[in-house]
Amino acid sequence: QKEVEQDPGPLSVPEGAIVSLNCTYSNSAFQYFMWYRQYSRKGPELLMYTYSSGNKEDGRFTAQVDKSSKYISLFIRDSQPSDSATYLCAMSRMYSGGGADGLTFGKGTHLIIQP
Amino acid sequence: EPEVTQTPSHQVTQMGQEVILRCVPISNHLYFYWYRQILGQKVEFLVSFYNNEISEKSEIFDDQFSVERPDGSNFTLKIRSTKLEDSAMYFCASRTGPREEQFFGPGTRLTVL
Repeated sequence: QKEVEQDPGPLSVPEGAIVSLNCTYSNSAFQYFMWYRQYSRKGPELLMYTYSSGNKEDGRFTAQVDKSSKYISLFIRDSQPSDSATYLCAMSRMYSGGGADGLTFGKGTHLIIQP
Repeated sequence: EPEVTQTPSHQVTQMGQEVILRCVPISNHLYFYWYRQILGQKVEFLVSFYNNEISEKSEIFDDQFSVERPDGSNFTLKIRSTKLEDSAMYFCASRTGPREEQFFGPGTRLTVL
């Protein structure tokens, strides 16, 4: 079983729709959760970062974490054509001492917002 | 807004050659990372670096790879003898503290012929 599962899509929705993107994970040691947006051949751009179960909102974006189900989501409201990109979930374990944990990524979901 | 920068944007090399990929992390960041992304695949962690030493490395980061922070601003990834399968995008990332967000650079596309 892969550590992080993410449906690669593509997911195509009309402009203005609410988009729901999801990841599941198997390692209960993951405690920090991120969503990145990546345009073709570019670096990942951080959208949301959270470390507790529940919801976190930033503008049109809401990140949701359910640690008991090992399930995270990203919701995009009022989607725009400029939101078309690949969305990557990423997560990491708790840190101990001065250690700095690398991120484990999902494969990314390719999102297309149709004008 | 400060950002992570990487050079070159694209590197083409012959199999067996050594390459050095360069990164300038955000200036007040203390934790540094390299990741790679093979075309069409997920982003994979290679190595983390803190306090002038490697903190963690993945199984991908074998003896052909090394990292260095030669001065107060640069962070480099060296591949000693490149293989065809090293062709990928290589991303540098940095963060201020172990619980803070990681910020990524734009990447270097490495093509091994």
